[in-house]
Amino acid sequence: AQSVAQPEDQVNVAEGNPLTVKCTYSVSGNPYLFWYVQYPNRGLQFLLKYITGDNLVKGSYGFEAEFNKSQTSFHLKKPSALVSDSALYFCAANDGGATNKLIFGTGTLLAVQP
Amino acid sequence: NAGVTQTPKFQVLKTGQSMTLQCAQDMNHNSMYWYRQDPGMGLRLIYYSASEGTTDKGEVPNGYNVSRLNKREFSLRLESAAPSQTSVYFCASSETTSNSPLHFGNGTRLTVT
Repeated sequence: AQSVAQPEDQVNVAEGNPLTVKCTYSVSGNPYLFWYVQYPNRGLQFLLKYITGDNLVKGSYGFEAEFNKSQTSFHLKKPSALVSDSALYFCAANDGGATNKLIFGTGTLLAVQP
Repeated sequence: NAGVTQTPKFQVLKTGQSMTLQCAQDMNHNSMYWYRQDPGMGLRLIYYSASEGTTDKGEVPNGYNVSRLNKREFSLRLESAAPSQTSVYFCASSETTSNSPLHFGNGTRLTVT
């Protein structure tokens, strides 16, 4: 079965420090990979995606993600965390086929301390 | 821009009652989706509609029905609500291609007692 794993339920980081939120996937073919962010009582918002090409993808709000095919990983990163980055982050993937059916990870709560 | 609009925002049902969750998008997207979000389980696809006039089951379709009323609207119906359907429900839309990001509504929080 195809799946997306986010091994950390919560990541704590001090403001100004770099952050990493981990994601690994088990999806057939050449998957398309996405990161979304969810603020309290809101829907998910798209951050960035990897389709093909450069393994380092840049997205909204200073976030970037590194695709690693050999490790089947797509970790989300930011060089300097802000308190306002505190939110729930979801990694998602599809199989790059005809339909846009996403498989989501279970989410990682990012807490940035002042 | 309204984007994806869901109604109602909150709902409490008794076991066995029925209700319809409404969703509309104004982005002229072909594809629409219904997900449920439960703690520790992420988002799971209930049903999706790749284009007007078509619907398909997702990962957890049991107990639900959908209607793609037109290109803008995609409704989710619970015919006989059960406590296991207590969840937050999200509607989303996207372009048809599989590299297109989904645009989500703000969700409906449903409690079944």
